[in-house]
Amino acid sequence: NAGVTQTPKFRILKIGQSMTLQCTQDMNHNYMYWYRQDPGMGLKLIYYSVGAGITDKGEVPNGYNVSRSTTEDFPLRLELAAPSQTSVYFCASSYSGAGELFFGEGSRLTVL
Amino acid sequence: AQSVTQLDSQVPVFEEAPVELRCNYSSSVSVYLFWYVQYPNQGLQLLLKYLSGSTLVKGINGFEAEFNKSQTSFHLRKPSVHISDTAEYFCAVSEGAGKSTFGDGTTLTVKP
Repeated sequence: NAGVTQTPKFRILKIGQSMTLQCTQDMNHNYMYWYRQDPGMGLKLIYYSVGAGITDKGEVPNGYNVSRSTTEDFPLRLELAAPSQTSVYFCASSYSGAGELFFGEGSRLTVL
Repeated sequence: AQSVTQLDSQVPVFEEAPVELRCNYSSSVSVYLFWYVQYPNQGLQLLLKYLSGSTLVKGINGFEAEFNKSQTSFHLRKPSVHISDTAEYFCAVSEGAGKSTFGDGTTLTVKP
């Protein structure tokens, strides 16, 4: 049972480069989320989606974009990477808006 | 807007001692409350949740939490900790619209 799968697990980017973090879930969850986790801090919501074709900004959306063309996939796009985007990124999904979150293992991104 | 405050950033405790990790929240509406645990280099996983009903909630690994509406608290407790409980613990609140807000985390270190 795969759950939530994120790729890549590690990536180093140069300033100004772009990349996409992939996230897929096999639980048929409607809700999907992208969070970032900085050292000593909790998780900050970047973007979320309540279903295919619907996305919305979270607390810290600047510098990121998302799409949700299918129920399973929710990729996060970083345009023009900056050192401030160095972080660990977590994708999560939930069955409902009030339900528990199921997390992927995280993607550690370093921007140099 | 909802917010979460975890009152202790680090909690050191000896093995087999009891522990309490404190969490206060603020919200203008009814909330759903969660505790998640994060082991090193892993994603978060659910410990327990309060959706409705009994204010004392039991979770995995012998943890429990009590929802106190008047004090807007959701403290996590365990009567006897093990070395394997060493991890980061996050309190989270959701107003049911699909967005969870996380506290900054409490590092629990269990010493032999």
